[in-house]
Amino acid sequence: QKEVEQDPGPLSVPEGAIVSLNCTYSNSAFQYFMWYRQYSRKGPELLMYTYSSGNKEDGRFTAQVDKSSKYISLFIRDSQPSDSATYLCAMTGSGGSNYKLTFGKGTLLTMNP
Amino acid sequence: NAGVMQNPRHLVRRRGQEARLRCSPMKGHSHVYWYRQLPEEGLKFMVYLQKENIIDESGMPKERFSAEFPKEGPSILRIQQVVRGDSAAYFCASSPAGNRDSPLHFGNGTRLTVT
Repeated sequence: QKEVEQDPGPLSVPEGAIVSLNCTYSNSAFQYFMWYRQYSRKGPELLMYTYSSGNKEDGRFTAQVDKSSKYISLFIRDSQPSDSATYLCAMTGSGGSNYKLTFGKGTLLTMNP
Repeated sequence: NAGVMQNPRHLVRRRGQEARLRCSPMKGHSHVYWYRQLPEEGLKFMVYLQKENIIDESGMPKERFSAEFPKEGPSILRIQQVVRGDSAAYFCASSPAGNRDSPLHFGNGTRLTVT
């Protein structure tokens, strides 16, 4: 079993819809959870950064972490053409080290006009 | 306010040649990390460096790969005697500190193609 599982998609949604992206993981030591957005031929851009369980909202983006289920989600409200990208979940454990991230393979999101 | 700068953006090497990838961290950042993204794979950690020090190279292949971050100048990821399996996107990230309050900021990567 991979440490982080993420459906590669592609996920196609109409503009204005609510998008739901998610990852599951197996390592209970993960404490810090991130979502990155990656446009084609670009580097990952940090969207959300959360610690432990709970919700975090930033503009149109909401990140949820359910550690009991080892399940994290990213919701995008009022989706726009510029949201078309690959979304990567990433996570790391405790102990003060933030750098050794374990990434999912990414979900490709495309918007229908 | 420039972000993490990587060059070249694209690099083509023949088998057996050497590849040198450069990374300049964001201004004020002294911690550099290299990740590799193989086709159809997620990003994988390779190495973590501070100025003149390798902090963690647990993700680096044991042979042919090396990294440095000198006192002056960019960080360099060096791959000797490249093979086709080294073809990948190599991303550099930086942070102001190596703790949990400093999420990583990535550059746009160098895409290495080995022919």
